[in-house]
Amino acid sequence: EVQLVESGGGLVQPGGSLRLSCAASGFTFSSYWMSWVRQAPGKGLEWVANIKQDGSEKYYVDSMKGRFTISRDNAKNSLYLQMNSLRAEDTAVYYCARGGSRAYYPLDYWGQGTLVTVSS
Amino acid sequence: DIVMTQSPDSLAVSLGERATINCKSGQSVLYSSNNKNYLAWYQQKSGQPPKLLIYWASTRESGVPDRFSGSGSGTDFTLTISSLQAEDVAVYYCQQYYSTPFTFGPGTKVDIK
Repeated sequence: EVQLVESGGGLVQPGGSLRLSCAASGFTFSSYWMSWVRQAPGKGLEWVANIKQDGSEKYYVDSMKGRFTISRDNAKNSLYLQMNSLRAEDTAVYYCARGGSRAYYPLDYWGQGTLVTVSS
Repeated sequence: DIVMTQSPDSLAVSLGERATINCKSGQSVLYSSNNKNYLAWYQQKSGQPPKLLIYWASTRESGVPDRFSGSGSGTDFTLTISSLQAEDVAVYYCQQYYSTPFTFGPGTKVDIK
């Protein structure tokens, strides 16, 4: 059974940093593109970034480029999102999601999400 | 970035009746080399993560009931629930995965009338 479990969320002050993790199991993690998607409270879904199987390609939404960094460790079956210079508008549930074997595929499995709250 | 729009914002349908949600992309998401539309539909129930329903605009994900169907091509797409069930109450999102960033529509809330 495919499982994605996010962790690392919490309360952080504006300007602070946070590193999210996503532990994957039930599939060959190193064979899939992976994405982060976020959802602000009561709002819609916003795709954040994705990363190729070997980490050699990464894509970001412009508003997060330079502040957020996606990475992965295939030996640990883990996906990460390093978030710096956090703003109140980054408050959201952050989901880890599995893509496909190629870059342009839908997201077929999602984790339960981890809540990030940016507030003083 | 490809802007995705959806209509209506919300709709209420009687049990057993048809629900239709429209999605429009700001540019075509049809890839001519393989004739595939890079368009997916997701269902999100309250307090849950999204669930993939439809991909390539009309291919139903494994395990998704056949009352859900997707259609359309290019820039205009439709998700149809042929006979609404109580468990279909949710917000439905379309998403293009034709180019990064993979943008989502704003969502359509479906309720029971």
